[in-house]
Amino acid sequence: QKEVEQNSGPLSVPEGAIASLNCTYSDRVSQSFFWYRQYSGKSPELIMSIYSNGDKEDGRFTAQLNKASQYVSLLIRDSQPSDSATYLCAVNIGGGSYIPTFGRGTSLIVHP
Amino acid sequence: GAVVSQHPSRVICKSGTSVKIECRSLDFQATTMFWYRQFPKQSLMLMATSNEGSKATYEQGVEKDKFLINHASLTLSTLTVTSAHPEDSSFYICSARASGGAFNEQFFGPGTRLTVL
Repeated sequence: QKEVEQNSGPLSVPEGAIASLNCTYSDRVSQSFFWYRQYSGKSPELIMSIYSNGDKEDGRFTAQLNKASQYVSLLIRDSQPSDSATYLCAVNIGGGSYIPTFGRGTSLIVHP
Repeated sequence: GAVVSQHPSRVICKSGTSVKIECRSLDFQATTMFWYRQFPKQSLMLMATSNEGSKATYEQGVEKDKFLINHASLTLSTLTVTSAHPEDSSFYICSARASGGAFNEQFFGPGTRLTVL
């Protein structure tokens, strides 16, 4: 079964620190990777997408992809209490229909 | 851009009634729409994938006769929970994707919280 794995956490970091969220996936032919943020009681919100090996930066967020290691991560710099949420990693599994497969999510707590 | 709406946002109904949830892509054409269910403190569970003009593809364990999905246009998909029971109470979320390509992002609606008494 094709899977996306995330540590459920919670990951607790102090305000201003860098939060590092990790995700591994099992399907070697996966081509597209996404990070979503979900606040409690709300639906997921797209933060970043990444398709090529390396880093992709958008404001305080950096996504990192290593296809050889089947690993994708999200770094949040200068973490704020408002970043406290569950972060979902999603991978479009190949095979034609590209059904998105989600990890269980990592709970992030940024404390003042 | 990439706004997806859902209606209603919240519904409370009696056991045995049917509930229809609408999902609309407001500023793009959605070739594919996905329906998810999320129980409290649990992960998203994909229920079905619908492509415009085709029958929906349901995930294993999801009853297609209970959860009726219609994707009649490129901007609208509906999920009807037929003869709802208390165990169907959950947070139902749709998402929409512009095309079936591997690199296209999906955007989520705000969700519908269903409570069956």
